[in-house]
Parts: sequence; structure tokens; C-alpha cells
Amino acid sequence: AQSVTQLGSHVSVSEGALVLLRCNYSSSVPPYLFWYVQYPNQGLQLLLKYTTGATLVKGINGFEAEFKKSETSFHLTKPSAHMSDAAEYFCLISNFGNEKLTFGTGTRLTIIP
Amino acid sequence: AAGVIQSPRHLIKEKRETATLKCYPIPRHDTVYWYQQGPGQDPQFLISFYEKMQSDKGSIPDRFSAQQFSDYHSELNMSSLELGDSALYFCASSRRTGGEETQYFGPGTRLLVL
Repeated sequence: AQSVTQLGSHVSVSEGALVLLRCNYSSSVPPYLFWYVQYPNQGLQLLLKYTTGATLVKGINGFEAEFKKSETSFHLTKPSAHMSDAAEYFCLISNFGNEKLTFGTGTRLTIIP
Repeated sequence: AAGVIQSPRHLIKEKRETATLKCYPIPRHDTVYWYQQGPGQDPQFLISFYEKMQSDKGSIPDRFSAQQFSDYHSELNMSSLELGDSALYFCASSRRTGGEETQYFGPGTRLLVL
């Protein structure tokens, strides 16, 4: 069985400050990890993903995440927060051959002007 | 670029009625997934189809059924609706052939059961 845990259901950062959203995973097989963003009243949009290869992955809108196997983590970061980053962020996991996605509980990011 | 299309976007039904939600995947995508997101909850996997065959099954109630058609679109049929079925229903598609793992989500259908 696979699972992801997102630490902090609500995170607030000031505009221009570092964004750090935490995700830890549990998997008995090499995982595929994803971050999706959900803006209010909209569907889920893929930010970035890790499958194999380079452990630091860059996504859209200046976000990046690093896969750390030793820490079973896949934290999402952005150097400088923008007001438009306010949304809900989901960390997801799947494994090849069983592609259904398992969601984390989500982190709602609020940007303080 | 073409995205996943879901229809209708909003649906209001009464208890014990039926509802049909439709999902049109991205062209050339062969796999469709359905997820249910209740109010204030994270999405939960319901069911998936690959090449018109059921691929995986999650927490889908027996009152629900789904299928994928020859043109790869999928329909989620919900009968004997209950108040607790009120949720946002997402469809996602991917191209499993070739090993592409990314699922692309539609905008969702918001179902309200009164």
C-alpha cells in the first residue's frame, strides 16, 4: 500500500517569502510522485512530477521539488511567493503498473500581502 | 492543447434520482480515471478504465457503475442518489501505452443532491 502525508493543512507565507510545502511518502516499491495545484472552483493542474532520474524536478510557475529517498520526502518549494500562488496543493503518489493516484490531504496556501 | 472535458459542469438532483456524468479524455489517451472529492475532503479514487476495460477499482459504491466506450470517453452512472453523494467528481486521463504516468484532470462535475 502507498500513502502520502502532507504536514500542515494550512500554510501562510508573506508575498516574496519562501514557500515550503511538506510531503512524506510511504511505498514498498519505487514511487512516482506528483504535485498538483487546485485553484478555487477549478480542476487539478499538474505542477511537477518525479518518476525516475534527476531527483530535483522543476515545474511550472517557479515551483520545484526534490525527491529524497533517504527521508522519504518530496517537499515542494518556491523561492518567492506570489499572490497568485494562493491555492490548495496536493501531493500524490502512484506506482508503475498500478497507476491510480493516492492523494495527500492537501495543503491550503495563503499568501499574505 | 486539448484538455479533458467533463459534462455537465454542474448538476442538481434529488434523492433517489439517477445521474450520468461524462468524461472526454485528451485525444490519444487510452486510460480514464474517476475521483470523488467530498466537501472539504481530498479526492478519492473511484474506478479506472484502460482500453475500454476496467483497470482498477477503488471506493466506488455499488450504486455507481461506469464504462469506457469505443471512442474512449467514459460515463459514470449513479443511481439511488443520496445526500452524501454531493461532491465534485473529477475525471482524469492518461496515455498508459508507452508508459506515460501523468494524469491530466478535467475541471470536474459538481453534483448537488437535495
